[in-house]
Amino acid sequence: SQELEQSPQSLIVQEGKNLTINCTSSKTLYGLYWYKQKYGEGLIFLMMLQKGGEEKSHEKITAKLDEKKQQSSLHITASQPSHAGIYLCGADRFMYGQNFVFGPGTRLSVLP
Amino acid sequence: DTEVTQTPKHLVMGMTNKKSLKCEQHMGHRAMYWYKQKAKKPPELMFVYSYEKLSINESVPSRFSPECPNSSLLNLHLHALQPEDSALYLCASSQAETGGWNEQFFGPGTRLTVL
Repeated sequence: SQELEQSPQSLIVQEGKNLTINCTSSKTLYGLYWYKQKYGEGLIFLMMLQKGGEEKSHEKITAKLDEKKQQSSLHITASQPSHAGIYLCGADRFMYGQNFVFGPGTRLSVLP
Repeated sequence: DTEVTQTPKHLVMGMTNKKSLKCEQHMGHRAMYWYKQKAKKPPELMFVYSYEKLSINESVPSRFSPECPNSSLLNLHLHALQPEDSALYLCASSQAETGGWNEQFFGPGTRLTVL
């Protein structure tokens, strides 16, 4: 079954710095999703990537799915305290969707 | 309306109690999900309903009983829970598409404490 790893586990950056979070799968990804979670709250959908080489951006966050569809990166430009939280990648275990698994998460702190 | 609502926000129950968690969405989604999230861990899938039918049960103990009365509502009935069941329970919904298009919208969660 699909297993996801994320790196780094946690990250502390100074406001204004750029950062990258990686998500690696042991198998081909059918759909790769990025979510953000504030402590103890629900998940906020950020982006979904489906095609190898696909890149999407929303405000200062860019996500890319590599050509082989086994790794994704999330890049934040000029980080702000509002970017702080836990970033989770998620994927469908199977091609038909719905059976979903999350990576362990990357905890991001942004120091003002 | 792009919101998934969950009630209650917090729940404390004893091991002999029976309680229910409720989830509601009005986005016309036909797939609804329950996840369990322990502290500092990612959410783990428990159940999936697709077109009001249970399509996935991730080997969840029978003390958790899901119910989907209609396409907008999802309940999770709790009975004889254990302290280790204390967690954040998240509900989500999505279009019931196959082939990988599965953006899920999450509710804020119910924080459950079992004494």
